[in-house]
Amino acid sequence: DVKVTQSSRYLVKRTGEKVFLECVQDMDHENMFWYRQDPGLGLRLIYFSYDVKMKEKGDIPEGYSVSREKKERFSLILESASTNQTSMYLCASSLRGRWPTGELFFGEGSRLTVL
Amino acid sequence: AQRVTQPEKLLSVFKGAPVELKCNYSYSGSPELFWYVQYSRQRLQLLLRHISRESIKGFTADLNKGETSFHLKKPFAQEEDSAMYYCALSDPGGYNKLIFGAGTRLAVHP
Repeated sequence: DVKVTQSSRYLVKRTGEKVFLECVQDMDHENMFWYRQDPGLGLRLIYFSYDVKMKEKGDIPEGYSVSREKKERFSLILESASTNQTSMYLCASSLRGRWPTGELFFGEGSRLTVL
Repeated sequence: AQRVTQPEKLLSVFKGAPVELKCNYSYSGSPELFWYVQYSRQRLQLLLRHISRESIKGFTADLNKGETSFHLKKPFAQEEDSAMYYCALSDPGGYNKLIFGAGTRLAVHP
């Protein structure tokens, strides 16, 4: 079974704090993703990575950065948290492959509240 | 621009009733479409994809290119089908990126 583990299930931070969200997958997947899940908006892609040290912006990268130093780990960083970043953050991974599109395997999510 | 539209935020039905969760997409090429499901307190997971043409847990979805739709259907809803359902479209940029709809919450009442 593919396992995607997000280290923090619930976090409460103050405005301006630096926040790290960690994600680890154990199936040697090349692709990793960070999505933000909001009611009424669905899932929106923040950043993704297709290889170690490689990263690409998604649809809403502003206010976020990422790090992928090892294949199994993909970190999302909020340099200076703001209240509008209060959300559920989902990490996902998949095998590399162009077609057909591979299944995304998701973590359980990290619910971040910024006060 | 590619987009996925799920017009219903909430669909409420009684057990045994038919279910249809609507999904429309905008995409100029040959789309790959998916349904993902999130049960209460569980992680988001793949339910089915259009290229497989399978029935999963009694659900089916047919790609209608003329109507640009990929509606999810089940003839007889069960209480355990209650969940959040997301329709998703494969991003043409590759890397297995998906474009998700806003989601529809299905509530099946006894």
